[in-house]
Amino acid sequence: EVQLVESGEGLVQPGGSLRLSCAASGFTFSDYSMHWVRQAPGKGLDFVSAISANGGSTYYADSVKGRFTISRDNSRNTLYLQMGSLRVEDMAVYYCARGIASFWGFDSWGQGTLVTVSS
Amino acid sequence: QSALTQPASVSGSPGQSITISCTGTSSDVGTYNLVSWYHQRPGKAPKLMIYDVSKRPSGVSNRFSASKSGNTASLTISGLQAEDEADYFCCAYARPGTLLFGGGTKLTVL
Repeated sequence: EVQLVESGEGLVQPGGSLRLSCAASGFTFSDYSMHWVRQAPGKGLDFVSAISANGGSTYYADSVKGRFTISRDNSRNTLYLQMGSLRVEDMAVYYCARGIASFWGFDSWGQGTLVTVSS
Repeated sequence: QSALTQPASVSGSPGQSITISCTGTSSDVGTYNLVSWYHQRPGKAPKLMIYDVSKRPSGVSNRFSASKSGNTASLTISGLQAEDEADYFCCAYARPGTLLFGGGTKLTVL
């Protein structure tokens, strides 16, 4: 069974940093692209970032480009999102998701982890 | 890029069929066959229902179907059941290397 478990939930002040992790199990992690998607309270879904299976290609939403960095450790079956210069509008539940074969879509999701940005 | 446009809500009675539209532009929905649909119940993670415009993952009921015409993608649910009540989001690839989501459609089964 595919399992994705996010961690790193926290409260951070505007301008601060936080790192999220996503531990994967139940599949060959190194065979799949991985993504981060977020959802502000009561709002819709927003693409944040994506990384190819071998980590060689990364993609970012314009809203986080230059502030967030996606990475992965295939030896540890773990996906990361390093978030910096956090803004109030970054406050959301962050989901990690496994990419589909054509990369641009998600066939499994974690339960999400809450990032709160407030002074 | 702007988000994709979905109706805020749709409703139907059990056994009926409903269709949710998702309108983008020629830069996303209209060009790439990379449209996916997700449903999400309150407090839960989204679940993939359709990918690559019209493909259904294993385990998803064949009551769910989808298509695309021009810049608009559509999700149809036939034989509505109470368990289908959820929020539905469309998602499409948009050059250069990003994904757009629709604002979501709340499906109410009357």
